[in-house]
Amino acid sequence: QLVLTQSPSASASLGASVKLTCTLSSGHSSYAIAWHQQQPEKGPRYLMKLNSDGSHIKGDGIPDRFSGSSSGAERYLTISSLQSEDEADYYCQTWGTGTQVFGGGTKLTVL
Amino acid sequence: VELVESGGDLVQPGRSLRLSCAASGFTFDDYAMYWVRQAPGKGLEWVSGINWNSGATGYADSVKGRFTISRDNAKNSLYMQMNSLRVEDTAFYYCGKGGCSSTSCYLDYWGQGTLVTVSS
Repeated sequence: QLVLTQSPSASASLGASVKLTCTLSSGHSSYAIAWHQQQPEKGPRYLMKLNSDGSHIKGDGIPDRFSGSSSGAERYLTISSLQSEDEADYYCQTWGTGTQVFGGGTKLTVL
Repeated sequence: VELVESGGDLVQPGRSLRLSCAASGFTFDDYAMYWVRQAPGKGLEWVSGINWNSGATGYADSVKGRFTISRDNAKNSLYMQMNSLRVEDTAFYYCGKGGCSSTSCYLDYWGQGTLVTVSS
């Protein structure tokens, strides 16, 4: 079964970096994912599509502070030079034949 | 790219509702489209998807047999017919654009959502 696992919460200081993790279920380590950001009281925003080899396609206007990487079944989103507006929920998403799956989301707090 | 949802409302359990999504800023009939929902305080849940020419659709098990997705490429519009609504269908419903033409794809643009409340 295609499942994405995310830690419920993360925190980091203003100006620092943080690395969020999304783990693909067993047997699905070659799958690409997408990362989405949801700021409080707003709709989600696409950040990037991230392939198993670490290559990624960013959405329009996404700052260079946001980057993605991959290792095995793990997919990462790294945010550097954290700003207050980065405090948000971050969701990973993947897809199978005619279906979509979202991870449970990680709530990022900027200290 | 702009996606604008409409049609959300307060409805009683067992009733029906039709959501619409007006799309602009891209060639609508080149891309798959999706509906994703979010119950208050909860995470994102994929609801349904449709490919570029309506030749393929998919539904989450939670809505299969009750919801029907459709699109009108001439009107650059996406729809969701929601029948036999349940209290647990209460959520913000987001329209999403696919990054490719098939339903097996990621979402690369989102609307701002429309609220559906199912309550007696």
